[in-house]
Amino acid sequence: GENVGLHLPTLSVQEGDNSIINCAYSNSASDYFIWYKQESGKGPQFIIDIRSNMDKRQGQRVTVLLNKTVKHLSLQIAATQPGDSAVYFCAENRGPYGNNRLAFGKGNQVVVIP
Amino acid sequence: DSGVTQTPKHLITATGQRVTLRCSPRSGDLSVYWYQQSLDQGLQFLIQYYNGEERAKGNILERFSAQQFPDLHSELNLSSLELGDSALYFCASSVPADPTGELFFGEGSRLTVL
Repeated sequence: GENVGLHLPTLSVQEGDNSIINCAYSNSASDYFIWYKQESGKGPQFIIDIRSNMDKRQGQRVTVLLNKTVKHLSLQIAATQPGDSAVYFCAENRGPYGNNRLAFGKGNQVVVIP
Repeated sequence: DSGVTQTPKHLITATGQRVTLRCSPRSGDLSVYWYQQSLDQGLQFLIQYYNGEERAKGNILERFSAQQFPDLHSELNLSSLELGDSALYFCASSVPADPTGELFFGEGSRLTVL
């Protein structure tokens, strides 16, 4: 079945520190990898994506790293804020092109300590 | 606000019953996706529609069915409900031909089967 897994269930981080969330994926054929954030009581929200031919992509306070050799994806959040407290999911876009069939990991809870 | 509207937000019903969940995608989005989120299975892709036609199927049970109407809203029908069907059901939509995997999720319909 779908299999995109996260290493750590909960990450507690001090406000202002950097956070790193890791994810292992299984399907080498996926073209895009994506990070979503889900706050309590809400639907998942797109954060950032990276295409399989890239190894790093930066957004606003976030950086996604892709290591295809070991099938590893990570999300770095700089200067973590209380509003970053949420569950973070990695996902693979298993397509085909334009179909956006996403396989999600099980999620990693991030708790920001003020 | 993602622009995706789901109703009802909460639904409590009994085993054996049938329910219908409704979704209105963002204006202009032709694709609608349904996902199920449960504690033990995480976010599971159920089905995708594109401009009224079924485009992709995931782990959707035969007791479940969906459709997308000419006005692009979609309905997910769940029948012969079992306790294990209790979950959050999310609808998402995406921009036509966007390959990245950026989906816009609604806030979900929480189904409780007693």
